[in-house]
Amino acid sequence: LAKTTQPISMDSYEGQEVNITCSHNNIATNDYITWYQQFPSQGPRFIIQGYKTKVTNEVASLFIPADRKSSTLSLPRVSLSDTAVYYCLVGVYNAGNMLTFGGGTRLMVKP
Amino acid sequence: DVKVTQSSRYLVKRTGEKVFLECVQDMDHENMFWYRQDPGLGLRLIYFSYDVKMKEKGDIPEGYSVSREKKERFSLILESASTNQTSMYLCASSSTGPGNQPQHFGDGTRLSIL
Repeated sequence: LAKTTQPISMDSYEGQEVNITCSHNNIATNDYITWYQQFPSQGPRFIIQGYKTKVTNEVASLFIPADRKSSTLSLPRVSLSDTAVYYCLVGVYNAGNMLTFGGGTRLMVKP
Repeated sequence: DVKVTQSSRYLVKRTGEKVFLECVQDMDHENMFWYRQDPGLGLRLIYFSYDVKMKEKGDIPEGYSVSREKKERFSLILESASTNQTSMYLCASSSTGPGNQPQHFGDGTRLSIL
């Protein structure tokens, strides 16, 4: 299973764009890259997923370079409510090939 | 929206008790999972199930068992609770579909073993 490395914590201010990068040097051909957000006392919430190039939804964008050895979650114009832990996962959600959540990145958005 | 419901948000039990944590999902998902989350350790997979009556061990199955008698319900059982099982327990479900199907989580059960 591909191991992921992401910063332990990041600080930002309201209205700024935040980019969180995840390294996954051992990503396999079939692996997807998935990001979750978790608030205190809640379960993780799916944000975005991609395989290559760029994916955008109403919440975030995900940039994946051609070699797929890293990915960047981009949160446009963050607000205080975006303060959370963000997890990067790499793999395939099929039975028998389970994923591991790492420590995540704790994002603190300040006023 | 997918809804994963865990029966209790907070639970307090005593050492040696048999503890049942229940999880129900309403999206007809084939796969269901149980994790525990501890500070500094992230989420760790305990057990998962990809079909009724099927189960597979995750990373830390010791001291736990599971039951999946119906597709929508996945139960985690602590056979004889111990203090080191005090934790946040998270249930998730996912579909078996084309591509990669993300897991959807419940809000967790914070279990304290005294």
